Amino acid sequence: QSALTQPASVSGSPGQSITISCTGTSSDVGSYNLVSWYQQHPGKAPKLMIYEGSKRPSGVSNRFSGSKSGNTASLTISGLQAEDEADYYCCSYAGSSTFEMVFGGGTKLTVL
Amino acid sequence: QVQLVQSGAEVKKPGASVKVSCKASGYTFTSYGISWVRQAPGQGLEWMGWISAYNGNTNYAQKLQGRVTMTTDTSTSTAYMELRSLRSDDTAVYYCARDDGPPTVTKDYWGQGTLVTVSS
Repeated sequence: QSALTQPASVSGSPGQSITISCTGTSSDVGSYNLVSWYQQHPGKAPKLMIYEGSKRPSGVSNRFSGSKSGNTASLTISGLQAEDEADYYCCSYAGSSTFEMVFGGGTKLTVL
Repeated sequence: QVQLVQSGAEVKKPGASVKVSCKASGYTFTSYGISWVRQAPGQGLEWMGWISAYNGNTNYAQKLQGRVTMTTDTSTSTAYMELRSLRSDDTAVYYCARDDGPPTVTKDYWGQGTLVTVSS
């Protein structure tokens, strides 16, 4: 099962908005609106930021939002803050032919 | 509060096996599954597999089929991941995460990670 495709890096200034894309296929991202997104700071465990495509867990800022169009899911962070600088990963179900889950390669967000 | 506490770091020789534990607390263990995810140094996250704590059903990543076994002990609310025939490229931090399981793939709580080093 191939990894989902994410940009290696994105950057933005404080207060700006950025979007991280996560491209899969019609068998995974395109078939299920169930992509989850994780934030990981260096040396720390990942943290759930978005689940089931666009839902935010309790305690996650409403500056984080998720969406999907076709085979591409997106994570948007508005009002960038220095603490948002981290690695971000998407995850999708790969379908009932394999019953696997697959992560994206990860995106390094730099807050300038 | 939900907590997943993993066992400590391991150093293994190539060809050996490692078994990592993940003790859950703060929720009904059998109501969720556990995913295992690893991260090689400087690399991204790799899903290894998922086990239902309710009935023990498992789904493994195809690339690890035959080398990995995931189990649970409901009496102690503990999940285990055993990886055999270790190679140097198995060196990674191994995480457990509470996971509803397919198709929702939501990993809402994570363990602190266990570093497994494979070296001769």
